Amino acid sequence: KAGVTQTPRYLIKTRGQQVTLSCSPISGHRSVSWYQQTPGQGLQFLFEYFSETQRNKGNFPGRFSGRQFSNSRSEMNVSTLELGDSALYLCASRATGALADTQYFGPGTRLTVL
Amino acid sequence: AQSVTQLGSHVSVSEGALVLLRCNYSSSVPPYLFWYVQYPNQGLQLLLKYTSAATLVKGINGFEAEFKKSETSFHLTKPSAHMSDAAEYFCAVSPKVGYQKVTFGIGTKLQVIP
Repeated sequence: KAGVTQTPRYLIKTRGQQVTLSCSPISGHRSVSWYQQTPGQGLQFLFEYFSETQRNKGNFPGRFSGRQFSNSRSEMNVSTLELGDSALYLCASRATGALADTQYFGPGTRLTVL
Repeated sequence: AQSVTQLGSHVSVSEGALVLLRCNYSSSVPPYLFWYVQYPNQGLQLLLKYTSAATLVKGINGFEAEFKKSETSFHLTKPSAHMSDAAEYFCAVSPKVGYQKVTFGIGTKLQVIP
């Protein structure tokens, strides 16, 4: 099976712009989670989607939003970018039922805000 | 509520020496526990997980971890460090109830000295 894929791998934006990141989960996985990773804060949970519905949400401002499509692919959007949004954004998918305890991560999208 | 504490943001060991990375958790319900490894410019890869079967869990690359409920610990060990083990290691916890978000520790960077 192909792993979790994220596009693009690298992005450079300027303050005030918006950005959309994409994540394709492992085939058959219906849950997708997003994390922000920075050197100072580590991995911080953004949100999780399951069957097109947001199931859990972290403590991020409303500028961070996401959605999931019927094929389980997910997008994350950040509007009005700030310098502090520079980070590695990781997507993870997991199966359902008995195999739902483990997340599988993609390679991440490195966002740089200038 | 749940949390993870990783003691030591940086750990250095000599090649061939014992690797010990410490993780303590807090969880109001029985937990799932995980160790992930991250190599530079890559996503997180699952090393091993505890889901309430054996308390001594063996993972990939010769790593293992022991769940100690009385100490609320899940330390990661490897008898003999290899240069390729140099990476960042993350301990994570999630409640063993339904689909809950995963909380990660701040990470421990392992340096292996030749």
